[in-house]
Amino acid sequence: EADIYQTPRYLVIGTGKKITLECSQTMGHDKMYWYQQDPGMELHLIHYSYGVNSTEKGDLSSESTVSRIRTEHFPLTLESARPSHTSQYLCASSDGTEINEQFFGPGTRLTVL
Amino acid sequence: GQNIDQPTEMTATEGAIVQINCTYQTSGFNGLFWYQQHAGEAPTFLSYNVLDGLEEKGRFSSFLSRSKGYSYLLLKELQMKDSASYLCAVMDSNYQLIWGAGTKLIIKP
Repeated sequence: EADIYQTPRYLVIGTGKKITLECSQTMGHDKMYWYQQDPGMELHLIHYSYGVNSTEKGDLSSESTVSRIRTEHFPLTLESARPSHTSQYLCASSDGTEINEQFFGPGTRLTVL
Repeated sequence: GQNIDQPTEMTATEGAIVQINCTYQTSGFNGLFWYQQHAGEAPTFLSYNVLDGLEEKGRFSSFLSRSKGYSYLLLKELQMKDSASYLCAVMDSNYQLIWGAGTKLIIKP
């Protein structure tokens, strides 16, 4: 059973607000990822991390930042939310083994008014 | 560019068999994954193929042909709970997953 958690599950905020989406995993995985997914569309990689103090940008520039101070915690911050940021945000982690299966959190559905 | 193609939607009958195809063009190949995603939920891992051939896991099987850039997911003895989106994803040369948009599978009684 995968143990990866995201909070909040749902968030409605106004334009210009700063928000942080939380993601934590208790599996000791080194690799963690943030994806953005619109309904019926593919997952787009926003950021990823291969370990503590390691962060990289993915293909989708979403004007967000991440940090990885602890292995288990990988928060995503939007400095100034816009309606175009309205989407589902999925956090995932993997153990880096041969298969490198990714385990997903339940997601945060963000609506920016 | 990199792309993954799979049908947008398929319909099948409870108890039947359905095959969901996936074709891909990526920079490098380090394995192909199938995930299941129920509406409003997170994707969950179904299968992984890195060598050509068929991998069977219960009612689900996945096939890969690297030379053709092609995979399929075969679901047997369909159940209503199999109604979901099925996502094909390829791990590229940078070990990043490139995702398809998913195939929405509708099961009818």
